[in-house]
Amino acid sequence: QLQLQESGPGLVKPSETLSLTCTVSGGSISSSFYYWAWIRQPPGKGLEWIGSIYYRGSTYYNASLESRVTISVDTSKTQFSLEVISVTAADTAVYYCARHGTRRRVATMLPSYMDVWGKGTTVTVSS
Amino acid sequence: DIQMTQSPSSLSASVGDTVTLTCRASQGISNNLAWFQQKPGKAPESLIYAASSLQSGVPSKFSGSGSGTDFTLTISSLQPEDFATYYCQQYDTYPLTFGGGTRVEIK
Repeated sequence: QLQLQESGPGLVKPSETLSLTCTVSGGSISSSFYYWAWIRQPPGKGLEWIGSIYYRGSTYYNASLESRVTISVDTSKTQFSLEVISVTAADTAVYYCARHGTRRRVATMLPSYMDVWGKGTTVTVSS
Repeated sequence: DIQMTQSPSSLSASVGDTVTLTCRASQGISNNLAWFQQKPGKAPESLIYAASSLQSGVPSKFSGSGSGTDFTLTISSLQPEDFATYYCQQYDTYPLTFGGGTRVEIK
């Protein structure tokens, strides 16, 4: 059974870089059918998609965060990672990794539904 | 971006009740809609995809319907474990977007 596990520092100082890793187990990160995503949830608020990556490295990002976010993948370690630079208190949230499908329409890759989530990791931005 | 609007934002119901939650997309998304359940302190869990298809292991008390811009999630015979927050999410196109959630509370 596929499992995802987030890991990384729980406390980051303002203006520094937030770095998280999601480890995939029980299944292949190199499947052609899936993208791997990061989603976050500020305290008491709703869910916000950050971005997604394919095992070959192609990415989609939320435009509101794109200037500060990088998602990367390491298939040899069955991991994908998130970096957010220049963090502020507004980046305090529970960060989740998840898997979602992909579908093709002509030459365009479109998303499909999310089916597996990690348990989440809390990141607090504070000095 | 496609905006997802859920209503109501919260509702109170009793054990045994049937409730219907609504989700509206700002533009047509065919049936590319998913529903998630989230309990306090836990990750969201997938309930429904393709607007009406149940994820494996999800009880049939959950049902979804709709296409285009208007969607509903119905939960029949509410049990204590069903009291949670429910989110809809469109995956018709990037960026992926979620509704603001409906919190189902015990009356």
